[in-house]
Amino acid sequence: DGGITQSPKYLFRKEGQNVTLSCEQNLNHDAMYWYRQDPGQGLRLIYYSQIVNDFQKGDIAEGYSVSREKKESFPLTVTSAQKNPTAFYLCASSMANTEAFFGQGTRLTVV
Amino acid sequence: GENVEQHPSTLSVQEGDSAVIKCTYSDSASNYFPWYKQELGKRPQLIIDIRSNVGEKKDQRIAVTLNKTAKHFSLHITETQPEDSAVYFCAARRSGGSNYKLTFGKGTLLTVNP
Repeated sequence: DGGITQSPKYLFRKEGQNVTLSCEQNLNHDAMYWYRQDPGQGLRLIYYSQIVNDFQKGDIAEGYSVSREKKESFPLTVTSAQKNPTAFYLCASSMANTEAFFGQGTRLTVV
Repeated sequence: GENVEQHPSTLSVQEGDSAVIKCTYSDSASNYFPWYKQELGKRPQLIIDIRSNVGEKKDQRIAVTLNKTAKHFSLHITETQPEDSAVYFCAARRSGGSNYKLTFGKGTLLTVNP
């Protein structure tokens, strides 16, 4: 469904823990993105990657880390340094001049 | 960096009326402008996009217009239906070169009342 898969769909984290969100695509897209969605805030870019082994910070990168070891995968780690991690996280992928396709999202809740 | 402003944040219309959502962008090098629809609890999905070499694009009841000089673009939905109710996002990006960064507006919650 859409060629881009996020897991898990729901994730609960205790305060002080790091958690990793998975994102995999089989669309052979060069670029991958992580967005955070909060009510009334739209889609805010956390990190993006245009090529394997390279990535750039987005607008709200503090408290997050990523890796791009394979073209198909772009995992996001929410670290304990992220002060308010509860949100809906969306992964997307695209080619340079085409639309971005989104995964179904991961809802992270701090308990 | 790019900044995309979107208005209004909420829009309520009667079924059959038209709806217009407007966006402005700051980076004059941006040349790709997609619009996404997100239904409650679902992923955003592309509904229409426009590139800077085109001033207007239509797809059935949906149209997008682009004014490069003023750096703004708009989504027009005619003959609205209840199933058009959703959050709509505009976005902007440079195409080509080495910058794939895709920047979104804050979204517009459209409600179509039967």
